[in-house]
Amino acid sequence: DAGVIQSPRHEVTEMGQEVTLRCKPISGHDYLFWYRQTMMRGLELLIYFNNNVPIDDSGMPEDRFSAKMPNASFSTLKIQPSEPRDSAVYFCASSSTGTGLLAQYFGPGTRLLVL
Amino acid sequence: SQKIEQNSEALNIQEGKTATLTCNYTNYSPAYLQWYRQDPGRGPVFLLLIRENEKEKRKERLKVTFDTTLKQSLFHITASQPADSATYLCALDRGSTLGRLYFGRGTQLTVWP
Repeated sequence: DAGVIQSPRHEVTEMGQEVTLRCKPISGHDYLFWYRQTMMRGLELLIYFNNNVPIDDSGMPEDRFSAKMPNASFSTLKIQPSEPRDSAVYFCASSSTGTGLLAQYFGPGTRLLVL
Repeated sequence: SQKIEQNSEALNIQEGKTATLTCNYTNYSPAYLQWYRQDPGRGPVFLLLIRENEKEKRKERLKVTFDTTLKQSLFHITASQPADSATYLCALDRGSTLGRLYFGRGTQLTVWP
């Protein structure tokens, strides 16, 4: 398996622009997670899905952030409008409860810089 | 809310020694605890999972202990090597929310020759 795939790997944008991050989870995994990592706050969970349904979005910082999972193999995280404080590394991760393992498998991340 | 503390932000040890990293938590009793490794510029990588009814787990040079009374997990790397240098994160569930993990801030380990 190719693992969790994220795109783009790097994104530089100007304040006010819309940013869309994409994720393809590992095939067969039923959980998908979006995290944000910064030096100041560490790894923060933004939202997670189970079987394509959002379960907990309490970590989404504000209404500027939205996430969708239209099918089992694709998810997006959108920031509109973006602000400099959104600069961070955004990770997508997936996991499977089917095996009972519950480990999360992370993608390589998207490094976002908002100018 | 769940609070997770890892003993220090950085740990420096000499090659060949055993590295011991600490993860303490409060407020909840997790059903399991996990350890991840993160290299610069990459996502965390799962290493080990230990369940609440397990005291110890081993994988090659890695050993994890889980003391639910002390609310603490210890992560050991024996015969450490420079290639073990990375940030190590502990993560735990809250018992009631399947699938979701709470991550500590991590400990940056440097193994020098």
